[in-house]
Amino acid sequence: GDSVTQMEGPVTLSEEAFLTINCTYTATGYPSLFWYVQYPGEGLQLLLKATKADDKGSNKGFEATYRKETTSFHLEKGSVQVSDSAVYFCALSASQTGTASKLTFGTGTRLQVTL
Amino acid sequence: GAGVSQSPSNKVTEKGKDVELRCDPISGHTALYWYRQSLGQGLEFLIYFQGNSAPDKSGLPSDRFSAERTGGSVSTLTIQRTQQEDSAVYLCASSWDPQPYNEQFFGPGTRLTVL
Repeated sequence: GDSVTQMEGPVTLSEEAFLTINCTYTATGYPSLFWYVQYPGEGLQLLLKATKADDKGSNKGFEATYRKETTSFHLEKGSVQVSDSAVYFCALSASQTGTASKLTFGTGTRLQVTL
Repeated sequence: GAGVSQSPSNKVTEKGKDVELRCDPISGHTALYWYRQSLGQGLEFLIYFQGNSAPDKSGLPSDRFSAERTGGSVSTLTIQRTQQEDSAVYLCASSWDPQPYNEQFFGPGTRLTVL
């Protein structure tokens, strides 16, 4: 079945450091890929997405490129801020005929950014 | 506009009791999803509605779990004879339609604690 593997956390960085959170996936068909973020005390919200190979999703300085050849969707940001401290979830949605577009999530990576 | 709302925000119950969790999706969204977030299992899909029908119930962990949706809007997740392992945050999400590339909008969740 479909699965998502993302790097274990927590990840602790100093402000203005470069961030990479690795995400790889296994899926049948042609999935759409997402990064969702959960800020402290808040609900899950979409950070960015990519729906086909070589697409780059971007938002709030974060980027991720859909790499079909390596089945990866790594999240990057050039300079993190304290306000980026949150839990980041990689997810895929792989709909085939007759099935739902449910999200399959990775385990989440907690990011802590310090001054 | 209003986002996805869920009630109650917290529910504490005794083992063996039944509980009902409610979800109000974003108006006009035809697809509705239930997920569960727990420490041991991460974020798991439970059930999906398209309109009032549930084409995919594959994530419901046992026959103690059931859900319905009425009027293509409000959904209720019912857990009968609750067990301690049911303790988790139950998340509801909705999307415009069930296409895999569509963003799912999440509610704040209901935290269920079974004593």
